[in-house]
Amino acid sequence: EAQVTQNPRYLITVTGKKLTVTCSQNMNHEYMSWYRQDPGLGLRQIYYSMNVEVTDKGDVPEGYKVSRKEKRNFPLILESPSPNQTSLYFCASSLGTGTYGYTFGSGTRLTVV
Amino acid sequence: AQTVTQSQPEMSVQEAETVTLSCTYDTSENNYYLFWYKQPPSRQMILVIRQEAYKQQNATENRFSVNFQKAAKSFSLKISDSQLGDTAMYFCAFMKTRFGNEKLTFGTGTRLTIIP
Repeated sequence: EAQVTQNPRYLITVTGKKLTVTCSQNMNHEYMSWYRQDPGLGLRQIYYSMNVEVTDKGDVPEGYKVSRKEKRNFPLILESPSPNQTSLYFCASSLGTGTYGYTFGSGTRLTVV
Repeated sequence: AQTVTQSQPEMSVQEAETVTLSCTYDTSENNYYLFWYKQPPSRQMILVIRQEAYKQQNATENRFSVNFQKAAKSFSLKISDSQLGDTAMYFCAFMKTRFGNEKLTFGTGTRLTIIP
C-alpha cells in the first residue's frame, strides 16, 4: 500500500531534550515536506526536500533540522525543543509535479513541557 | 507571497443537504493548483479534490465539486447529499507550478458538522 509512515504518533517530552520524528515513504517520491498544524493557523511548511541531499527552509524553520540521506526517509529533528513547538506535525511526499498534491502521513502530536 | 482565506470557521448542515465551503486566494501566478483536503477526527489529511488553474472546467469527484472562478480568485467546495462521514475539518490549499519548492499554502480551515 502506498503510504507515508510517521513515528511516533504521540510524543510528550521535556524542554531541551533532543528528539527525532521519523518519516518514510514507499512511493519513490522526490519531494518531501514537513508541516506543523496549529489552531487558527492551518498548516505551515517547516522544511522541504526536492531530492536526496537537497533540503531547504519553509516558512517556519526556526528550531528544526532535517536531513535527506535516502530518498524514502526525511526525519525531523528538534535539537532543543521548547513549549512553543507543541503542535501537530505532518510529513508529506509528492511526485513533484503538483499533479496529485501531497500524500500525508498520519501526524505526530508533540507536547513539550 | 500567496495567501489563502477561508472565512467560515465553522458550519453545520443536516444530513442529505448540500453545503458550500468558501475559499479565496491571492496570487500573482497565472498557473497553479488548488486543492481541498479533508481532516476527519482521525486527523489524517485526505485529498478531496484538485483543480488546475489553466483548466476552465470545474473539477468533480462523486458528491464533491468545486466552483472555480479564476478572475475572482475563488475556489469553493460543494458537498451534495452530505453524509455523517463528511464531518471533518476542511482545508483549502494553493500550490504554484513553477519548479522548486512545491509548498502547499493552506487556509485556516472550516470545521464542518453534519447533523443526523
